[in-house]
Amino acid sequence: DTGVSQDPRHKITKRGQNVTFRCDPISEHNRLYWYRQTLGQGPEFLTYFQNEAQLEKSRLLSDRFSAERPKGSFSTLEIQRTEQGDSAMYLCASSLATGTGDYEQYFGPGTRLTVT
Amino acid sequence: GNSVTQMEGPVTLSEEAFLTINCTYTATGYPSLFWYVQYPGEGLQLLLKATKADDKGSNKGFEATYRKETTSFHLEKGSVQVSDSAVYFCALILVPSGSARQLTFGSGTQLTVLP
Repeated sequence: DTGVSQDPRHKITKRGQNVTFRCDPISEHNRLYWYRQTLGQGPEFLTYFQNEAQLEKSRLLSDRFSAERPKGSFSTLEIQRTEQGDSAMYLCASSLATGTGDYEQYFGPGTRLTVT
Repeated sequence: GNSVTQMEGPVTLSEEAFLTINCTYTATGYPSLFWYVQYPGEGLQLLLKATKADDKGSNKGFEATYRKETTSFHLEKGSVQVSDSAVYFCALILVPSGSARQLTFGSGTQLTVLP
């Protein structure tokens, strides 16, 4: 297992188009997170899953954003009708929740989205 | 709400210099604290962590001590190398949390080490 992977690494799209990103977590990890990072800032939480259930969504996640984790393994993040303000790095992370906690999140390399 | 404040960068040091990157936090509960590092073109990597007051996290020559009285978690290294050039993020997570297990990050500090 080589860690969390994300695809694509880079995406350029025109305003108004839809885009979808994929994240493959570390195989035994049951929690999966999406964050967004804009230039010069730290990552901001978007949403997370425990297995296939989406348990929390940030206010940053407008109704144009939707995330799924259909079988509790990989996840997709879709942005509909993209806007220039959506340009950012989208990071995925995974962790293993145990009885004592799950605080170590392992991050993927990110998908850089540019909306022109 | 919860927040993390890091010293503003960028920070430029000569090789073998002493490094301190300040981090302070506010939290509504009892956080665990982390330092993540992001090398150019790579994803975030966990550098070190501390889960309770007075704990010291350490890794690769870096250290940080969880100071509850000053709500701080400053990152230090005695002798930096060119390969330490990266962006460093301080972060917290509330434990236990009734809601998302989300990390709250600072804005990051760019470190450049010159030979």
